[in-house]
This record gives sequence, structure tokens and C-alpha cells, in this order.
Amino acid sequence: KNEVEQSPQNLTAQEGEFITINCSYSVGISALHWLQQHPGGGIVSLFMLSSGKKKHGRLIATINIQEKHSSLHITASHPRDSAVYICAVRLSGNEKLTFGTGTRLTIIP
Amino acid sequence: DVKVTQSSRYLVKRTGEKVFLECVQDMDHENMFWYRQDPGLGLRLIYFSYDVKMKEKGDIPEGYSVSREKKERFSLILESASTNQTSMYLCASSQRTGRGPYNEQFFGPGTRLTVL
Repeated sequence: KNEVEQSPQNLTAQEGEFITINCSYSVGISALHWLQQHPGGGIVSLFMLSSGKKKHGRLIATINIQEKHSSLHITASHPRDSAVYICAVRLSGNEKLTFGTGTRLTIIP
Repeated sequence: DVKVTQSSRYLVKRTGEKVFLECVQDMDHENMFWYRQDPGLGLRLIYFSYDVKMKEKGDIPEGYSVSREKKERFSLILESASTNQTSMYLCASSQRTGRGPYNEQFFGPGTRLTVL
């Protein structure tokens, strides 16, 4: 079993829909990252969380440490949001990240 | 603007060739990482370096070696390339934990390596 599980693996939605991507992990962590990867390969960091909630534009990330669960929400989704979204956790006392396998999001105009 | 660069976007090599992938960061980061990314498997850590000349094996180091002679440069070496090393290779860097409030990893654009 992977230490980091994401769901769904693939998600297709209409433009304007509210999107939720989930991430569950099974180990103690010091931080959780949400990353975005567009076709062509480049990965950018969206959020780093250790508790609570963060918001940036139309993106919101939440984490529940007790339940070992995080969600990434996109409001008013747009075709340019189409990408692979990756959850990664940094284990306590560790410099390294452990990655989920990603969620491929496609927003249809 | 922070930047991690990789020497090639696309590379085609033959089985048995020695392959060098170079990564350079301009952020004075202590940590540098090499990952490979394969469909359905996500990113897997090959090697990690936390300082010049220091390295640590990741999850899948077999068939690879690394070199970090200068702080800004981290090289991945495939001593004898094989077809199962065809993959996307991504380099990343980060500050050492405790140097600042963030431990964000910054990624390079990736090198798509094909071994024939």
C-alpha cells in the first residue's frame, strides 16, 4: 500500500464546476504539498500545509492532521486548470518528499 | 525569479551508453534531488544530496550514480543505460529544513530520456 493515496485518479468536469481532489496518507508528517504539473512536464508548487487551510485565488487547500487527509478544491474551474495535481508529504524529521501518483484533471469548455 | 535548469529537454541514447543529466539551481539551496516519473507510479526519488559531496540513496538508486562537486550543480549518471531507464527525469532543489519557514521544492522542466 502506498503511503500517499490520491483520489480520483482521473477527473473530467465542465468549465465552472467546483472540483475536489483528495489525498490520504498513512504516516506522521511535518508538511503536505500540493503540486501542479502541466503537459510538457514542469511542476510547480501550489501549497505547503502543516495545518488548517490555505487559499490562493480560486484554489483552496485544507488538511486534517488527525484524519491524515487533505483536499484541494478549485472553484469556478477553467480549461487552463487542466493538469495533473500531485499530493506529496514530508515525513517528520525528513528532508525528502513522498508523492502520490497524481490526479489528472480535464476541464471541458 | 528562482530557477532550476536541466541540461536537456529530450535525450535519445543507445543501450550501454554512459549518460549524464545535469541540473543547476541559482537559489543557494542545500538540498538537491533527482526523481524519475513513470505513468502510474508517480515521482520516485533516485538520489538526494544535502550538501556538496554528500549524497543519500533514494528509493530506486540501482543503475544510477550522482555527483555534487559544487553547491549549485547536481549530476545524475547512468553508467550503462538500459531500456528500462527510459523515463522522465526531474531535478528539484530546496532549502534545508530549519533555514527558513518554507521547505518548498522547486522543480526543473524535466528531461525525457529514451534509451533504444
